[in-house]
Amino acid sequence: NAGVTQTPKFRILKIGQSMTLQCTQDMNHNYMYWYRQDPGMGLKLIYYSVGAGITDKGEVPNGYNVSRSTTEDFPLRLELAAPSQTSVYFCATGSHTTYEQYFGPGTRLTVT
Amino acid sequence: AQKITQTQPGMFVQEKEAVTLDCTYDTSDQSYGLFWYKQPSSGEMIFLIYQGSYDEQNATEGRYSLNFQKARKSANLVISASQLGDSAMYFCAMREGLGNAGNMLTFGGGTRLMVKP
Repeated sequence: NAGVTQTPKFRILKIGQSMTLQCTQDMNHNYMYWYRQDPGMGLKLIYYSVGAGITDKGEVPNGYNVSRSTTEDFPLRLELAAPSQTSVYFCATGSHTTYEQYFGPGTRLTVT
Repeated sequence: AQKITQTQPGMFVQEKEAVTLDCTYDTSDQSYGLFWYKQPSSGEMIFLIYQGSYDEQNATEGRYSLNFQKARKSANLVISASQLGDSAMYFCAMREGLGNAGNMLTFGGGTRLMVKP
């Protein structure tokens, strides 16, 4: 079992570019989440999904979009990248039967 | 108001000693849960321990225990017999409401623990 995988590990974007951060899980979990972690700070929730076809905004959704067409995949789309989106992005999964969340290794994004 | 507050930005502890990392929380929900995660310098998030609001006993996992004081809204992490490998950032997080709301977590700002040999 790979658990939660994220690609890419690192990326540098220019202002105004767009990209998609990939997240895939093989844990058959219903719940998936995207968090961002700014330097020296805790994680903040961007978007989450409770199942395929269902997504909802978290605390900091502006500038991002998500989709959930399958149980396994939960991509995060950045449109018109801005320096304020420089951060480490974590994808996580969870089950409706337990409360623990399982985190991917993160994607470090720099926007210059 | 902050939902999760960690008042210690950084702490030192001598190897083999115990250390307490503070966490206070704010919620009006009756059903909630508190988590502690460890983030070493490599960056991954490692789950340590969980305490549900209805759990009567304090949670323990090996050298980690959670000192849960519901009336004071605190959920402090106690690490016994510190090891050099415990040097890391530690985050307290809270889940609010019932499971079908998605179990989203709210994180505190973290405490950096440094273990001295």
